[in-house]
Amino acid sequence: EDKVVQSPLSLVVHEGDTVTLNCSYEVTNFRSLLWYKQEKKAPTFLFMLTSSGIEKKSGRLSSILDKKELFSILNITATQTGDSAVYLCPRNAGNNRKLIWGLGTSLAVNP
Amino acid sequence: DTEVTQTPKHLVMGMTNKKSLKCEQHMGHRAMYWYKQKAKKPPELMFVYSYEKLSINESVPSRFSPECPNSSLLNLHLHALQPEDSALYLCASSPLPTNEKLFFGSGTQLSVL
Repeated sequence: EDKVVQSPLSLVVHEGDTVTLNCSYEVTNFRSLLWYKQEKKAPTFLFMLTSSGIEKKSGRLSSILDKKELFSILNITATQTGDSAVYLCPRNAGNNRKLIWGLGTSLAVNP
Repeated sequence: DTEVTQTPKHLVMGMTNKKSLKCEQHMGHRAMYWYKQKAKKPPELMFVYSYEKLSINESVPSRFSPECPNSSLLNLHLHALQPEDSALYLCASSPLPTNEKLFFGSGTQLSVL
């Protein structure tokens, strides 16, 4: 079955901690893997990964893809309460097929 | 302007009502999407419009009727909905119909009584 598995499903940390969110997928064609942050309503685009080993970075967030081992990680350093959200990593199989979504990781950052 | 605007933000309707959800983007994107999201679940694709033509219908019941009047607007017409249709309805757009870099609106929280 073509699916995306995210772990952990939920995580509670304190401000200032560093977290690593995991996303593994099964390869049935691969075009890209995306990371989104969803706070209350709109998922917000974070990164698009297409090549192995190339880190994408934006402020305290960074992400990398391993196409051999079929996973991606999202790192958040020096977490803040504003990082509390659900993080989603849908996979794009290409050929204009729909995105394959995992269940997300719910991150809570406590002050 | 990098926003996708959805109206209304909240909607309560009875099972016999007819209502419409509206979505607008001015980023020149050529693909627009309707997603349905239940609590604690990922978004679930309903429809895709590519260059203003319906390209994907994920076997959505006919009580949901999409419309794309022009490249900036996307509507979802609702009629005779069921209580189980209550959910967050998200509109998204992307530069090209390649399922990449989707920009989402804030959604319409729909309750069907």
